[in-house]
Amino acid sequence: KNEVEQSPQNLTAQEGEFITINCSYSVGISALHWLQQHPGGGIVSLFMLSSGKKKHGRLIATINIQEKHSSLHITASHPRDSAVYICAVRYSGGSNYKLTFGKGTLLTVNP
Amino acid sequence: DVKVTQSSRYLVKRTGEKVFLECVQDMDHENMFWYRQDPGLGLRLIYFSYDVKMKEKGDIPEGYSVSREKKERFSLILESASTNQTSMYLCASSLLAGYNSPLHFGNGTRLTVT
Repeated sequence: KNEVEQSPQNLTAQEGEFITINCSYSVGISALHWLQQHPGGGIVSLFMLSSGKKKHGRLIATINIQEKHSSLHITASHPRDSAVYICAVRYSGGSNYKLTFGKGTLLTVNP
Repeated sequence: DVKVTQSSRYLVKRTGEKVFLECVQDMDHENMFWYRQDPGLGLRLIYFSYDVKMKEKGDIPEGYSVSREKKERFSLILESASTNQTSMYLCASSLLAGYNSPLHFGNGTRLTVT
């Protein structure tokens, strides 16, 4: 069964710290998504990548296709970054529309 | 910006009731999705629609049906609600079905079936 594993499950940091959240998957993919879910439910798409690295503000997402691994980094973390971060992949050869989701990483940034 | 609107944030229904969850998107997206999200299980796809009146079952379609009569609206129907359908329901849309199209999510509907 193709799975997506995220680590850590929970992460608590102090404001200003550098944060790393990891995502591993089992077979070849065509795309990987990082999503952010704030308390209350709404989900926002942060990044979609299939190779290399993307940056948006204080957020950086990297992917290593050979290692089947992606990381989401947050620089100079802030309490408003507190949320659940979800990794999702679209497996190569699978249905075009189907994503497999990780269980999420709950990040709490304390002031 | 794409807006995906779910009609209710919180809903409480009784076992056996027929429940309608509505979702509307304003960007003429072809594809719409219904997911449910449960603690420890992550998001799971219930149904997907790639065009008006077209639908495909996802991973957990049992106990659910869907309707897409207009491109902008995708409804999830619980024919006879049961307590194991208590969950957070999330609607999403995307422009293309392919892997390069990001998903846009609604704010979710937290359904409690008593």
